[in-house]
Amino acid sequence: QLQLQESGPGPVKPWETLSLTCTVSGGSIRSTNYYWGWIRQPPGQGLEWIGNIYYTGGTYYNPSLKGRATISVDTSRNQFSLKVTSLTAADTAVYYCAALQGTTVTFHFWGQGSLVTVSS
Amino acid sequence: EIVVTQSPASLSVSPGERATLSCRASQSVSSNLAWYQQKPGQAPRLLINGASTRATGVPARFSGSGSGTEFTLIISSLESEDSAVYYCKQYNNWPLTFGGGTKVEIK
Repeated sequence: QLQLQESGPGPVKPWETLSLTCTVSGGSIRSTNYYWGWIRQPPGQGLEWIGNIYYTGGTYYNPSLKGRATISVDTSRNQFSLKVTSLTAADTAVYYCAALQGTTVTFHFWGQGSLVTVSS
Repeated sequence: EIVVTQSPASLSVSPGERATLSCRASQSVSSNLAWYQQKPGQAPRLLINGASTRATGVPARFSGSGSGTEFTLIISSLESEDSAVYYCKQYNNWPLTFGGGTKVEIK
């Protein structure tokens, strides 16, 4: 059973860059069964898909972030990462990493979430 | 982008009774729709994919139906542990999009 764990900065300032890392255990990030994704949830609100990466480096992003998000993968560490630039208060959210099963395009395994607060 | 709309925003149901949740897509998504359950302070959990296929370990009281633009999640006999927010998500087109959620409360 896959387990995912986010690690991140906690509070960040407006206009800074957010960096989060997700460590995958219980399986290989090189698995051909999964894409690796990020989803966020502002406090008290719904879910927003940010993007996915495959272990070979191919990515999909949500256009709503207007090019501010970048996802990368480090197969040697079994990790993948998210960067979001030019932060505003609207980026305050719980950020989840998740394993997206390729054939059903559904998120089967999730991290516990990392709250990122954007505030000066 | 496909817009996904859920209704009602919330409902209150007595234990043992049926809860019916609706999800509508702004254009056809075929059967490419999933349902997730999220309890307070927890990550979402996959319940249903392919509009009607229960994920591993999901109790039989959860059932999904529909295709095209109209979908339904039914909890046939509500238990206290089913108190949660339920989200539908379409995966027919990129970007993946979620509905706004339906909060199910136990009376």
